Amino acid sequence: DIVMTQSPDSLAVSLGERATINCKSSQSVLYSSNSNNYLAWYQQKPGQPPKLLIYWASTRESGVPDRFSGSGSGTDFTLTISSLQAEDVAVYYCQQYYTSPLTFGGGTKVEIK
Amino acid sequence: QVQLVQSGAEVKKPGSSVKVSCKASGGTLSSYTLNWVRQAPGQGLEWMGGIIPIFHTTNYAQKFQDRVSITADASTRTVYMDLRVLRSEDTAVYYCARGERSEAARTMTDHGFDIWGQGTTVIVSS
Repeated sequence: DIVMTQSPDSLAVSLGERATINCKSSQSVLYSSNSNNYLAWYQQKPGQPPKLLIYWASTRESGVPDRFSGSGSGTDFTLTISSLQAEDVAVYYCQQYYTSPLTFGGGTKVEIK
Repeated sequence: QVQLVQSGAEVKKPGSSVKVSCKASGGTLSSYTLNWVRQAPGQGLEWMGGIIPIFHTTNYAQKFQDRVSITADASTRTVYMDLRVLRSEDTAVYYCARGERSEAARTMTDHGFDIWGQGTTVIVSS
């Protein structure tokens, strides 16, 4: 199984400041045939199901604010919130869908400093 | 827009089975998969398996291979997850989630899981 490791486990950021979450996969999720990274990012608020933010490592899902961006390739990925808003307080998960079983990172909790 | 509506909470005894349903309303599922993801209390997300409803093709995580069955009823646009031989560690919120999938997909989705059900709490306790 591909192991997804997120860091940090939690972070506190001031409103309007940048938040950066890292995700590392135990093997590459880059498919050479189409040059796509099979990686997604989700946001989960308490008592709610996860919400898809990013797929293909850097493509924003429709309706997701542009302060959310994804980057990286191969085994190392980053989710950046460029200017943290109060409504961004949540747990964020990365997920690989390169191979079965699909696996998620352990989550990163984002709070307001 | 498709909505996924799941069945209600369940309390089960160890060793028994639970069947959770996920009904799709609106839109089409023809190019999509339905997957089951669970979340134990205070824990992360765990993919259990999925189904391509139009073909009834399934794919399960090895961890659950012996205990889970995912089925689809096209006439009612409902997908079911049956988990057998329940243990206390199966206490969790179970989510169904839609995955968009092209013919070139490597797994149950090309784009992540874009629509989720509201979740079904399953408590396993003697």
